Amino acid sequence: NAGVTQTPKFRVLKTGQSMTLLCAQDMNHEYMYWYRQDPGMGLRLIHYSVGEGTTAKGEVPDGYNVSRLKKQNFLLGLESAAPSQTSVYFCASRDPGTGNYEQYFGPGTRLTVT
Amino acid sequence: AQSVTQPDIHITVSEGASLELRCNYSYGATPYLFWYVQSPGQGLQLLLKYFSGDTLVQGIKGFEAEFKRSQSSFNLRKPSVHWSDAAEYFCAVGDNNAGNMLTFGGGTRLMVKP
Repeated sequence: NAGVTQTPKFRVLKTGQSMTLLCAQDMNHEYMYWYRQDPGMGLRLIHYSVGEGTTAKGEVPDGYNVSRLKKQNFLLGLESAAPSQTSVYFCASRDPGTGNYEQYFGPGTRLTVT
Repeated sequence: AQSVTQPDIHITVSEGASLELRCNYSYGATPYLFWYVQSPGQGLQLLLKYFSGDTLVQGIKGFEAEFKRSQSSFNLRKPSVHWSDAAEYFCAVGDNNAGNMLTFGGGTRLMVKP
């Protein structure tokens, strides 16, 4: 099992450009999450999904959109990138059936917006 | 709303010395608590978790944490630090509502002196 994978690993965007980050998991997990990590602020939840076709806002959703068309994939989109979106983005997934609340994290995507 | 505070942004200890990383949380119900570790350029790895029962929990790599409800704390400890423990450590509290979101503290960066 690859676990949780993220594509791409690094990306540099100019202000106003758009892009999509892909998260894929092969553990058949129902729940998936997108976080951003900024120095001194830990990880903050952007959006999450509790199943295929569902999404919900987290703590910092502005400027991002998400889609969960397939259970194994969770896409994070930036329609018009801003320098404030320079960050490291982490995807995570979990199986709500286990009852242990553990989230499994991908390796991250480092995004720089100039 | 739940919150997590890690009062120490940086900690430096000598190799072989004991370690305690502090974590205080705010949550209205029985908390689900986690400690994750992040090595430079890597994703997050779960060290240990508390859901119920014994308030002293053992994790991987020789770490343990103690849940103290009266102090709203979940401090991480290790009796003898190794150079490979240098990393950033995050405490998190889990929400048992829909989505089971995690709220992270700001992190503590551990440096180990030879």
